[in-house]
Amino acid sequence: NAGVMQNPRHLVRRRGQEARLRCSPMKGHSHVYWYRQLPEEGLKFMVYLQKENIIDESGMPKERFSAEFPKEGPSILRIQQVVRGDSAAYFCASSPTTGLNQPQHFGDGTRLSIL
Amino acid sequence: GESVGLHLPTLSVQEGDNSIINCAYSNSASDYFIWYKQESGKGPQFIIDIRSNMDKRQGQRVTVLLNKTVKHLSLQIAATQPGDSAVYFCAENPNTGNQFYFGTGTSLTVIP
Repeated sequence: NAGVMQNPRHLVRRRGQEARLRCSPMKGHSHVYWYRQLPEEGLKFMVYLQKENIIDESGMPKERFSAEFPKEGPSILRIQQVVRGDSAAYFCASSPTTGLNQPQHFGDGTRLSIL
Repeated sequence: GESVGLHLPTLSVQEGDNSIINCAYSNSASDYFIWYKQESGKGPQFIIDIRSNMDKRQGQRVTVLLNKTVKHLSLQIAATQPGDSAVYFCAENPNTGNQFYFGTGTSLTVIP
């Protein structure tokens, strides 16, 4: 999955702490998508962002979760006051233009473990 | 909401044989589909896509077939190799939004 860079690859947090996941899209891509994957399940859409704008956050929980894609720097998915149920792999994808009928290219994910 | 499901959660094939992985989708408005391959510890890797105005598309050793009548998608892998062992997901993109809906995946194991 050359191009989309996610860090950290693994993140361990205790309940109640904050988790910050970072994603740098492929060069030339201005559209970023975050997905969540539980073990042995498919990916579930969370949020779609363009530079400085949230376009679609219909899959993201209303509380504790937030996302941003600033003019400069990576996209950030932030989870506040983490709970055990937040343990999952979080994947970021990017595309060069609007996602309609365009392939999304994925990073290798951040595996979040909550103790 | 939309759902994308796979008929077989696991598939084992002999090296050199052809593999067929099936997928059913529920949203008749979906007009773009992708097959992704996911190896352990990695993100989904794009394999091949197809738009709803087509019923077949071929790549290198892979073919995707789309049957809109029964809302069925399949991925055919020719001369399956050990490196093809992975989980394969189909994903659909309804023309109403930017997100993809993923199935639960089929785990393909290639027996040397």
